[in-house]
Amino acid sequence: QKEVEQNSGPLSVPEGAIASLNCTYSDRGSQSFFWYRQYSGKSPELIMFIYSNGDKEDGRFTAQLNKASQYVSLLIRDSQPSDSATYLCAVLTGGYNKLIFGAGTRLAVHP
Amino acid sequence: DVKVTQSSRYLVKRTGEKVFLECVQDMDHENMFWYRQDPGLGLRLIYFSYDVKMKEKGDIPEGYSVSREKKERFSLILESASTNQTSMYLCASSSSAETQETQYFGPGTRLLVL
Repeated sequence: QKEVEQNSGPLSVPEGAIASLNCTYSDRGSQSFFWYRQYSGKSPELIMFIYSNGDKEDGRFTAQLNKASQYVSLLIRDSQPSDSATYLCAVLTGGYNKLIFGAGTRLAVHP
Repeated sequence: DVKVTQSSRYLVKRTGEKVFLECVQDMDHENMFWYRQDPGLGLRLIYFSYDVKMKEKGDIPEGYSVSREKKERFSLILESASTNQTSMYLCASSSSAETQETQYFGPGTRLLVL
């Protein structure tokens, strides 16, 4: 079983809709969770992190964490074509600040 | 802003060559990481370092070595490049002083081994 799992997609949503990206993880001791966005040919850039159960909002982005279900999600409101990218879920686990990445979900926002 | 730079954006090397990939960060971060990214496999950790002259193996260290002689610089070495090391290599750094220990990535080096 992979430690961090994401649906590879592509997830296709119309412009203006809400995109919902999901991620599950296997290590119950994980403390911090990250969402990165990666445009084709570029390096990952941090969108937001979350470490408490519940929701965390930042502009059009909302991260949701449910530690009991070992589930973290990212909602993108009012999706724009510029949001089209691969979204990587990452979980901080173990010692020495190791991040475990999911394989990413490709999001396509069409006009 | 955190800045992580990598010495090359693109590299083409021949099988058997020794390859050096350099990474420099300017935020006095203690932790530095080398990943490779391949389609369908995501980011996989090769090596990381949490202090000068310290190194720890990641998930796929075989065929690689690293060097960290100064806090700001972390080098990845391919002792004898092979075609299966063709990949995108990403360097990252983080600070243990941050609660969330966010990792910041460099622009990546796309390596082709012929």
